[in-house]
Amino acid sequence: QKEVEQNSGPLSVPEGAIASLNCTYSDRGSQSFFWYRQYSGKSPELIMSIYSNGDKEDGRFTAQLNKASQYVSLLIRDSQPSDSATYLCAVKGYSGGSNYKLTFGKGTLLTVNP
Amino acid sequence: DVKVTQSSRYLVKRTGEKVFLECVQDMDHENMFWYRQDPGLGLRLIYFSYDVKMKEKGDIPEGYSVSREKKERFSLILESASTNQTSMYLCASIISLGRGYGYTFGSGTRLTVV
Repeated sequence: QKEVEQNSGPLSVPEGAIASLNCTYSDRGSQSFFWYRQYSGKSPELIMSIYSNGDKEDGRFTAQLNKASQYVSLLIRDSQPSDSATYLCAVKGYSGGSNYKLTFGKGTLLTVNP
Repeated sequence: DVKVTQSSRYLVKRTGEKVFLECVQDMDHENMFWYRQDPGLGLRLIYFSYDVKMKEKGDIPEGYSVSREKKERFSLILESASTNQTSMYLCASIISLGRGYGYTFGSGTRLTVV
């Protein structure tokens, strides 16, 4: 069973700080990695994707991937109260007829305090 | 703007009823997915479809079936609803991200079985 592990939190940071969210995965053959943000009562929204080792930056968000350590992280700089949400890590595997199946972690609840 | 539409936002059904959850996507993609999301358990894959009339079981298919008669529509069927199927149900399909792809989710159906 392929697994994706995240700290459930809650992770609490003050406004303006850097929030660091972490994720590990069990399948060494995984190739694609995603971060989703989910506000309470809403559906998940894709915020970052990363495919190669290293960092990928998009605005205040940076995704970091280390395939050797089977580790992916999301950094949120200058955290805002509007960033308060659950963050889901997702990893692409391959299963049967679909090359698009994702396995999700259980999510980390982030709270940004004004 | 790509869209995945789930027909109902909230549903209340009785134990033993046959329940249909509908999902329509306008992205012309072959792959569609049904997940359920429960507190502490995260997103769990029920079924997915990689083409019309093609389907594959996910991690928790028991008590569910699916139908994919047209490319744009993927239906989840609860053959005989039970209280342990009370959950948030999320449909997803694929969006292109240039180099890669990601999931986009519908707004979800919160099903309560009484």
